[in-house]
Amino acid sequence: DAGVIQSPRHEVTEMGQEVTLRCKPISGHDYLFWYRQTMMRGLELLIYFNNNVPIDDSGMPEDRFSAKMPNASFSTLKIQPSEPRDSAVYFCASSLRWYSGNTIYFGEGSWLTVV
Amino acid sequence: AQSVAQPEDQVNVAEGNPLTVKCTYSVSGNPYLFWYVQYPNRGLQFLLKYITGDNLVKGSYGFEAEFNKSQTSFHLKKPSALVSDSALYFCAVRDPVSGGYQKVTFGTGTKLQVIP
Repeated sequence: DAGVIQSPRHEVTEMGQEVTLRCKPISGHDYLFWYRQTMMRGLELLIYFNNNVPIDDSGMPEDRFSAKMPNASFSTLKIQPSEPRDSAVYFCASSLRWYSGNTIYFGEGSWLTVV
Repeated sequence: AQSVAQPEDQVNVAEGNPLTVKCTYSVSGNPYLFWYVQYPNRGLQFLLKYITGDNLVKGSYGFEAEFNKSQTSFHLKKPSALVSDSALYFCAVRDPVSGGYQKVTFGTGTKLQVIP
């Protein structure tokens, strides 16, 4: 299995621009998670989906952030407009039947720099 | 509410010596516990987990962890450290008793530095 695939791996953008991060979860996994990692705040859960439906988006920092999962094999995290404080590593992760204690598998991350 | 604590920001150990990375947790029921490792510029990789059964759990790369319910701890251990073990280690917990859809809570991470 190819694992969780994220793109782009690195992105540098100017403040005010729209940023779209993409994720392909592991085939067959029914949970998908978006995390953000920064030095100051550590690893934060932004939102997660079950069977393509958003379950908990309480971690999304503000309305500039949105996430979608149009089908079982694709999800996006969008920031519009981007700000320098959004600079972080964004991880997508997936899991099979998370409620039974199954493991979350992480992608390699999208390293975002907003200048 | 569930929580997990990693009391040490950094642990230094000489190559060949045993290593321990500490983790304590707080949940209302019996926890699911996990350890992940993050190498520089990489994503988190699963090392091992405790769900039920034997308190000593063995995982990848020679790591193991011991679930101690009375001390609410789940320390990560390895008998002989390698320089290549140098990385950031995360403990995580989930309380399966609370019901509904539940998030996993990650610790703040412990940087392990193995000195040649």
